[in-house]
Amino acid sequence: SQTIHQWPATLVQPVGSPLSLECTVEGTSNPNLYWYRQAAGRGLQLLFYSIGIDQISSEVPQNLSASRPQDRQFILSSKKLLLSDSGFYLCAWTKTGTGTPLHFGNGTRLTVT
Amino acid sequence: SQQGEEDPQALSIQEGENATMNCSYKTSINNLQWYRQNSGRGLVHLILIRSNEREKHSGRLRVTLDTSKKSSSLLITASRAADTASYFCATDDRGSTLGRLYFGRGTQLTVWP
Repeated sequence: SQTIHQWPATLVQPVGSPLSLECTVEGTSNPNLYWYRQAAGRGLQLLFYSIGIDQISSEVPQNLSASRPQDRQFILSSKKLLLSDSGFYLCAWTKTGTGTPLHFGNGTRLTVT
Repeated sequence: SQQGEEDPQALSIQEGENATMNCSYKTSINNLQWYRQNSGRGLVHLILIRSNEREKHSGRLRVTLDTSKKSSSLLITASRAADTASYFCATDDRGSTLGRLYFGRGTQLTVWP
């Protein structure tokens, strides 16, 4: 069966520090991968999606970047965190095409101080 | 934007009662999905309804879709305390095969024992 791992679960980082969040999927190949952010009391904002290795699309301009160095690995990064980067970050995957559900990881709670 | 909007933002009911949540969206879709999120966790897929379907059932869940009004509803019958969670609708992009989903802000459902 397929599983998705996301780490760390929680992270407290000072403003201006770098960020690296990692997500890996097991049990499937060539998944579509997504990074979402959820601010407190808000909906999910799609940040990045990827249809293949080194194929990343950004939904909104921001202080973050994403990379997909391997088929089932998706990394969210920042060179210098801002206070506004605080939030709950969720990685998700789905099979290629429409009409398939998203499978989410358990999320990373990031607090920038 | 493509994002769906759930209504109400919060719903509080007693065990055994039915819970109805609504979702409105703005553009044409291929399908609409409902997800559930327990506090501090990732989202879990509940049900998918395609644009050519009007109603779908899964256990105690009943979903309707009215594409002419661009709206959907999720009914949970005979609710239980364990149903307490946030519920989100998600819409895709009819013109895209990339599987991107856009989420609303969710309905926070509290079921009192």
